[in-house]
Amino acid sequence: GAGVSQSPSNKVTEKGKDVELRCDPISGHTALYWYRQSLGQGLEFLIYFQGNSAPDKSGLPSDRFSAERTGGSVSTLTIQRTQQEDSAVYLCASSSGGGYQETQYFGPGTRLLVL
Amino acid sequence: AQSVAQPEDQVNVAEGNPLTVKCTYSVSGNPYLFWYVQYPNRGLQFLLKYITGDNLVKGSYGFEAEFNKSQTSFHLKKPSALVSDSALYFCAVRRPGGNTGKLIFGQGTTLQVKP
Repeated sequence: GAGVSQSPSNKVTEKGKDVELRCDPISGHTALYWYRQSLGQGLEFLIYFQGNSAPDKSGLPSDRFSAERTGGSVSTLTIQRTQQEDSAVYLCASSSGGGYQETQYFGPGTRLLVL
Repeated sequence: AQSVAQPEDQVNVAEGNPLTVKCTYSVSGNPYLFWYVQYPNRGLQFLLKYITGDNLVKGSYGFEAEFNKSQTSFHLKKPSALVSDSALYFCAVRRPGGNTGKLIFGQGTTLQVKP
């Protein structure tokens, strides 16, 4: 079946602009995660959605970052007033449930470059 | 605090030889451990996981990993390396409890398999 998809694949923006990154999880998966991969920081957790529960936003680096998940499916990560340090690959993952044994399946990522 | 260490930035091995990519973890309680592989410009692909039971876990593409509780290690192994195994490998841990299923990743190890 279809895996996790993300769009756009690449995004180049100017410092100070807002960007939106989209994630379509595997159909039927109730848990959705955003991570960021950068050269200096490695792979970092950003935010976690599970069903109708309040999201875990503990990994968001600043209040410029926010995410929504509409209808329990598609998620959008928004970065306001982008900075050069936001340049990274943003990875989305989903799992069939929120249990700790569940495997997270990753999308191909969105490569963000802030000029 | 939870953490994962991959002590080698790069591992070089000749095709046909056995390979080992090392991972150690620090977490309170019983850990759930994962290995992922990342090919250039791609997302992370799941290889295998340890949840409970047999300490030797077999996964995709002929990879296996051994959980060693006393040494807090979860090294990835393959009996005979292929050139196509060359990629970036990540070890990750989750700790049961709390309200998040986030993965904590190691810094990654680049595996180079030479013909």
